[in-house]
Amino acid sequence: DAKTTQPPSMDCAEGRAANLPCNHSTISGNEYVYWYRQIHSQGPQYIIHGLKNNETNEMASLIITEDRKSSTLILPHATLRDTAVYYCIAVRYGGSQGNLIFGKGTKLSVKP
Amino acid sequence: NAGVTQTPKFQVLKTGQSMTLQCAQDMNHNSMYWYRQDPGMGLRLIYYSASEGTTDKGEVPNGYNVSRLNKREFSLRLESAAPSQTSVYFCASSVRGLAGTQPGNEQFFGPGTRLTVL
Repeated sequence: DAKTTQPPSMDCAEGRAANLPCNHSTISGNEYVYWYRQIHSQGPQYIIHGLKNNETNEMASLIITEDRKSSTLILPHATLRDTAVYYCIAVRYGGSQGNLIFGKGTKLSVKP
Repeated sequence: NAGVTQTPKFQVLKTGQSMTLQCAQDMNHNSMYWYRQDPGMGLRLIYYSASEGTTDKGEVPNGYNVSRLNKREFSLRLESAAPSQTSVYFCASSVRGLAGTQPGNEQFFGPGTRLTVL
């Protein structure tokens, strides 16, 4: 599975959009980009995933560049409860079972 | 729906003691997973079960055994606990694993078991 690179930490003002970048320059054609987050002391929570088209759900939007080498997770109106570690993971389907490989993620701090 | 439940929430063991961590899901998921998370690190896969009746090793299986008791339950056993196994353990489940060709198999995680081995 492709390696992903994320900044270790980011700050965001409450009510503003939080834009979390992820670099996955070695991603292959059959690898999806998944985002999870982990609020302190809780289990990770799935946010969104995509292959090449932009995706939106009730939690967030995912923007994937045309060359698929990077993506951005957007929380449109961040709240204090969005403070968490956000993980960007490249997931390959097919072949062996595989697993989610969690790196260190980006620690997002939403400030009042 | 309770989702994924784990018991116990906290446990303290002495070196050499054994214990079983329990996990159950009520979402009719086929695949289940056990991860551990050490301070400041991401999650690492210990074992997984792609479907009822099958189990496979993950990244860090040494010192652990698992049992997929039925479709709902997946337990993790420490036969002889060591201080290096002090960690937070998370169980997760998904509709399908990653061996197929259909995406959308997001994993749902339980609240975790905080284990300390003295």
